[in-house]
Order: sequence, then C-alpha cells, then structure tokens
Amino acid sequence: AQSVAQPEDQVNVAEGNPLTVKCTYSVSGNPYLFWYVQYPNRGLQFLLKYITGDNLVKGSYGFEAEFNKSQTSFHLKKPSALVSDSALYFCAVTPGSARQLTFGSGTQLTVLP
Amino acid sequence: GAGVSQSPSNKVTEKGKDVELRCDPISGHTALYWYRQSLGQGLEFLIYFQGNSAPDKSGLPSDRFSAERTGGSVSTLTIQRTQQEDSAVYLCASSLGDRGYEQYFGPGTRLTVT
Repeated sequence: AQSVAQPEDQVNVAEGNPLTVKCTYSVSGNPYLFWYVQYPNRGLQFLLKYITGDNLVKGSYGFEAEFNKSQTSFHLKKPSALVSDSALYFCAVTPGSARQLTFGSGTQLTVLP
Repeated sequence: GAGVSQSPSNKVTEKGKDVELRCDPISGHTALYWYRQSLGQGLEFLIYFQGNSAPDKSGLPSDRFSAERTGGSVSTLTIQRTQQEDSAVYLCASSLGDRGYEQYFGPGTRLTVT
C-alpha cells in the first residue's frame, strides 16, 4: 500500500524568503505525485503534479516541486514567499495502477509579514 | 468555467438519521471521487466512479455508506443511521480521466452528527 509523509506539521517563513514544504512517499511502481493547497473553509486546490519527464515541475502561483526518485521525495518550493501563500498544503501520491489519491497529513504554512 | 459544486454546504443531523450529500462534477469529467476529511483521520478516499464502469467502493468505511452516480454526472453519497464518528467534511472531486489526471475538488459538505 502507498503512503505519504509530511514530516512538518507547521512551517513558518518570512515574507520574501524561499520556502520549502517537505514530502516523502512510498509506493509500488512509478508514482504519480501531486500537491494541493487548502485555504480555510475551502476545498483543495490543485497546484502541480509529476507524472513523468523533467524532475522539476512548475505549477500555479510560482510554486515548483522536484521529484527525487532515489530519495523518494517531492518537496514543494517557492523562491519568494507571500503572506497570501499561508494555507494548508497536502502532498498526494497514487501508483500508476490506481486512481484514488493517498494524502499526507498536511503542512500548515504561515508566511510572516 | 464552473467548478465542482456540492450541496448542502453544512448539514447537522441527529444520530441515527439518514443523510444525502450531492456532488455536481465539472462538465465533461468522466471520473468522480468522494473523500472524507476529519481531524483524526486526515483525508481518506471513499469511492470512485469512472464512466459506466462499476464503482470502486474499497474506501467505504461501513455498509451504512453508499453512493450512486446518475447519467455519468451528478453523484449522491448516502449515509444511513448516522453515527457521531461520521462527522467530517465530505469532499467530492472530478477529473478528465483517471490515471495521472489531476482531480478538482468541490468546497465540501460539513456534516455534524449530534
């Protein structure tokens, strides 16, 4: 069975600084990896995905993530954080053979002005 | 364009009552998913529909939970004889296909069982 670990419940970063939200995964076969963001009292919003190809994927709102097969990681990054980036971030994985997503426990990102 | 919509946005019900939650997926999306989000369990998969295929019910926590999708579009999640542990936010998502396609989520239905 697949699993996702987000080791940090909370990440604080100053506005303008780079941010990283960590994600590691365990899956049989090739993984399909996703990042979603959730604002208060809202559903999940898709940010980016890795299916195949270039290990660095770019997504919405200036976010990017790097797929590292040897470390089984898919960390979310942004070069310069905004206060409006403050939200709950979820990493998710599915093996190529499945459809439903398995989510991590989420990381609360707070960008301080 | 219109996103995934869910109704009601909030539902409070008494223990033992049945509830129905509705999901309208994005037009043209063939795959539809239900998930549950709760403080203790995080985000859990419940059920998946793809086209006319038999649904994948592997995530349903008990036989009190059922779902249907009519005409390949609207879906209803039904919880019979609700229990307090059913209290959660129920999220619906749809996607253009299954493997590798991103899922688009609705705002959710917050269910509170008293």
